[in-house]
Formats: sequence, C-alpha cells, structure tokens
Amino acid sequence: DAGITQSPRYKITETGRQVTLMCHQTWSHSYMFWYRQDLGHGLRLIYYSAAADITDKGEVPDGYVVSRSKTENFPLTLESATRSQTSVYFCASRGGGREQYFGPGTRLTVT
Amino acid sequence: QKEVEQNSGPLSVPEGAIASLNCTYSDRGSQSFFWYRQYSGKSPELIMFIYSNGDKEDGRFTAQLNKASQYVSLLIRDSQPSDSATYLCAVNMEASGNTPLVFGKGTRLSVIA
Repeated sequence: DAGITQSPRYKITETGRQVTLMCHQTWSHSYMFWYRQDLGHGLRLIYYSAAADITDKGEVPDGYVVSRSKTENFPLTLESATRSQTSVYFCASRGGGREQYFGPGTRLTVT
Repeated sequence: QKEVEQNSGPLSVPEGAIASLNCTYSDRGSQSFFWYRQYSGKSPELIMFIYSNGDKEDGRFTAQLNKASQYVSLLIRDSQPSDSATYLCAVNMEASGNTPLVFGKGTRLSVIA
C-alpha cells in the first residue's frame, strides 16, 4: 500500500531549465494538490485538481504548469526554473472523506 | 481574506506535561478542522480532525472546537520528547468541503526531557 509517492525526492537544476516533479497516489482520490513550503511562509498552495482534466490555480501559480490526464497522477512542471523556486514541494490528495494526506516531498534546488 | 492564525512558538513544555496548541480562523462558515504534525525535514502528517463543536479524543491527543469563538485547539497529554515538532492547523472554509484547506503557519513545540 504505497499511498502517495513523489519523485524525485531531491533535485538540483540550473536556472532556466524545465523540471517536472511527479506525484502518484494509489487511493483513487479525486482531489490532488501541490504545495511549496518555505521558511517564513508556511505551506502555500500552487495548483490543485478536483478530478482528471480539472485543475485550478492556488495562491502561487506563476511559473508552474500542471496537468492531470489520469486520476492517480498529478505532475508539476517548472517551465523555466528560477532561484526563487528553490523550495520543498509537497503533493497531497483527498478522497471522498475530508481528510487530506501528504506525500514525502521533493527538495528542489535551483542554482 | 481567509486566514488561519497560530502562535509560531516555540512552545516549550516539560516532559509529562500537557501541551496546548491553539488556532483561530477567520471564516465563520468553516466546517472541517485538522491538525497536522510535521517533524523537521518530513512531510505533514494528519493526526487529528474534528467536524463538530466540542472535544474529540484519540489517545494522548484531544482536539477541541468552538465554532462560536472560531477557535480550535489541540491538547497533548503526557508530552514526550518525540512530540517535539511543528503542529499545523488547517481549516476547510467551505460548507461543501470541496475547496483547498487553508493552513496556519504552524506552532513549534519543544518537549524538554
């Protein structure tokens, strides 16, 4: 029972490169979320999805792109990475109940 | 603007004491309330949720909700050094529940042995 997984767990990339962070859940949860967490800012919502092919912006969507062609996957793409996108990224999912569960996170460094 | 407020701490309590963590929220229509524990370098872990006014107990944890005062708290009895972590309060501010949670910035708890 893997639950929710993220890959890679650690990533170093250069400014201007495209980076995709993967999120996969095995619960068939309808809702999926992407957050970033930075010191002093707490968790900030980037994008979320209510179902396959339905996505919506969160608090800090600029510079990020998401897609959701399958219920279980919700990749996050940084189209042209910037140093300000250095952060820890968490994926989360929520099903029919109201409880939300987080993946283990991806630590991204943009040099 | 929808907000969830927490004291950032650190809150220091001696081992064996009761730790009391507090959270206030801005939207009176909020329906669902969650407490997450986050150890340093780890992801948030759901430890309690409460949907109705009053108390809800689970082991050493008790969540308390007062919708009239827009206040939710988490009590940790018999605190242990392993409880040292940041505790995040999260609120679903829509009656339908079909919206993202609003998170507080967390309270750092330190349990001193």
